[in-house]
Order: sequence, then structure tokens, then C-alpha cells
Amino acid sequence: QKEVEQNSGPLSVPEGAIASLNCTYSDRGSQSFFWYRQYSGKSPELIMFIYSNGDKEDGRFTAQLNKASQYVSLLIRDSQPSDSATYLCAVVFWGGPNAGGTSYGKLTFGQGTILTVHP
Amino acid sequence: DGGITQSPKYLFRKEGQNVTLSCEQNLNHDAMYWYRQDPGQGLRLIYYSQIVNDFQKGDIAEGYSVSREKKESFPLTVTSAQKNPTAFYLCASRDRTNEKLFFGSGTQLSVL
Repeated sequence: QKEVEQNSGPLSVPEGAIASLNCTYSDRGSQSFFWYRQYSGKSPELIMFIYSNGDKEDGRFTAQLNKASQYVSLLIRDSQPSDSATYLCAVVFWGGPNAGGTSYGKLTFGQGTILTVHP
Repeated sequence: DGGITQSPKYLFRKEGQNVTLSCEQNLNHDAMYWYRQDPGQGLRLIYYSQIVNDFQKGDIAEGYSVSREKKESFPLTVTSAQKNPTAFYLCASRDRTNEKLFFGSGTQLSVL
């Protein structure tokens, strides 16, 4: 089982719609969660980070975290063509029931979901 | 300006050759990371370091080596044992106070 898994893409939505991106993680010791956006040939850029259960909103972006179900999602409202990119979910492992000293601080990414917003 | 500097931007490796990718940060971050990205793929963790003189293997460490002799520097060596080194390599450092990850601009490594 992959440590961090994202919903398979590519995802295509019309302009103005809501894009929903999902991510699940396997280790309950994970406590910090991030969403990055990456344009082709560029470095990832941070969009959102979330630590606590519930929703966190920033402009058109909303991150949702459910630790019991071990998933984190990103909603993009009023999607724009400029939102077309690869979205990466990242998880930091800090410890937990299966904590191992050598894994402390390990930051793992999912495989990414390609989003296309068409006019 | 504070940031992470990766060099070179493009690198070519000959068969059987070791090459070293540079990563320097002046953000005073303790943690640093190396990732590999293949076309159309996510980021896979090669090595990471939480503190000077200590580092841990990631998920795909075979054929790579690192050192962390200074807080600012975390060079990655791609050895001849890495049979498929062509990829985009990203270095990152993390701010312990808010845990955000900052990326360098990447190095594209190709085999001649």
C-alpha cells in the first residue's frame, strides 16, 4: 500500500465549477498535511496546509482533513484555466503507534493529480 | 534574498560516472530533502536530513548518496550504481516553526 495516494486523474472541469481533489494516507502518525500546485517544468508551490480536523479556507481554496478516515481533500471553487496544473498532496510523519525514529520528519508526496480547467 | 539554490540547472552524466548536485539554503532551516520526479509522476523521496551530520534514507535511496556537514548544504551524489538517473531532481528545506516546505528550482539530469 502506498503511503500517500491521490485520486487518479486526469481531472477535467469546466471554468467556474468546483474541482475536488482527494488524498489518503496510510500512517496514523502523520500529522501535517500540505497541498502543492506544480506547473510543468517548475517547482511545486504551496497552496494550503492543514493540521487539525475540519475545514480550512483560503480564498477559492478549501482544505478538508479527516484523521479518523485518514484522508485530506482540496476543493477549488470557481475554477479558472490558470488553475490547470498538477496538484500534489504531501504528508509529514511525526510519530504515532508505529513510530520509528528513522522516519521522524519524513515528508512523503502522493503521485499527483493533473487538473485541467477548460473554458 | 533568502532561498534555496540548486545547481546546475541542467546536468549530463556519462556512463559509469558519478555526478553531484548542489543544494544550498540560507533560510536557517534544520531539515532538508531530496526528491526525484519522473515525467508525469509525483515526487519520490531519496534522502532527508533533520539535522547536521545526520540523514535518513527515503523510499528510493539506492544508487544515491548524501552528506550534511553544514546546515546550509545538502549535496546529492548520483552514483554509477543508479542505472536510470534521468529525472528532475528537487531539493527542499523545511521551516520547523510552521513546517512549510521550500523548494529549489530543480536540476534536470540526463544521461549522455
